[in-house]
Amino acid sequence: DTAVSQTPKYLVTQMGNDKSIKCEQNLGHDTMYWYKQDSKKFLKIMFSYNNKELIINETVPNRFSPKSPDKAHLNLHINSLELGDSAVYFCASSPEGVEQYFGPGTRLTVT
Amino acid sequence: QKEVEQNSGPLSVPEGAIASLNCTYSDRGSQSFFWYRQYSGKSPELIMSIYSNGDKEDGRFTAQLNKASQYVSLLIRDSQPSDSATYLCAVLSNTPLVFGKGTRLSVIA
Repeated sequence: DTAVSQTPKYLVTQMGNDKSIKCEQNLGHDTMYWYKQDSKKFLKIMFSYNNKELIINETVPNRFSPKSPDKAHLNLHINSLELGDSAVYFCASSPEGVEQYFGPGTRLTVT
Repeated sequence: QKEVEQNSGPLSVPEGAIASLNCTYSDRGSQSFFWYRQYSGKSPELIMSIYSNGDKEDGRFTAQLNKASQYVSLLIRDSQPSDSATYLCAVLSNTPLVFGKGTRLSVIA
């Protein structure tokens, strides 16, 4: 199936740990994104990559570091996790930076 | 700061009625406008895009755009219980895409 996929779907971890979320798209899109959706359902962009290059880096703590090994993959690494990082993280891709297609999300819970 | 405003709802409509969802945006230079549907616990799904003033129809959905008033709306005709979800308005000027906080729609059978 063509899609945007993310792993893991759920992630429960303790404060201070380091964790990664992986994203892959086989839609052939050039642009990929990471979004955070908080408990109030507000969806906010964190990062955008175009052909493996970072083009958007919104105001996000530098504990968050995206990595794009190729244009089909965009991973998110989070260091020193904090309670406030608990949220759903969505990966998305876009063919021309306009219409965006979202992955299923990763629900991160920091305890 | 670019803003997209939506009434958070919930908006309750009876089955078969027309649901009207509204969105206003602050950046007059915005070029592209989208409606996403998000079921509880699921990811946002693109249902409509509109780029020029006027109406755009797709099945039971109609998107309406008025750039002079900085207003975009989504009409859902013959609403079904399966339409119950949160509807997110998203606006693109240069980059990045800015989302509203969503309107929760409840269609009552």
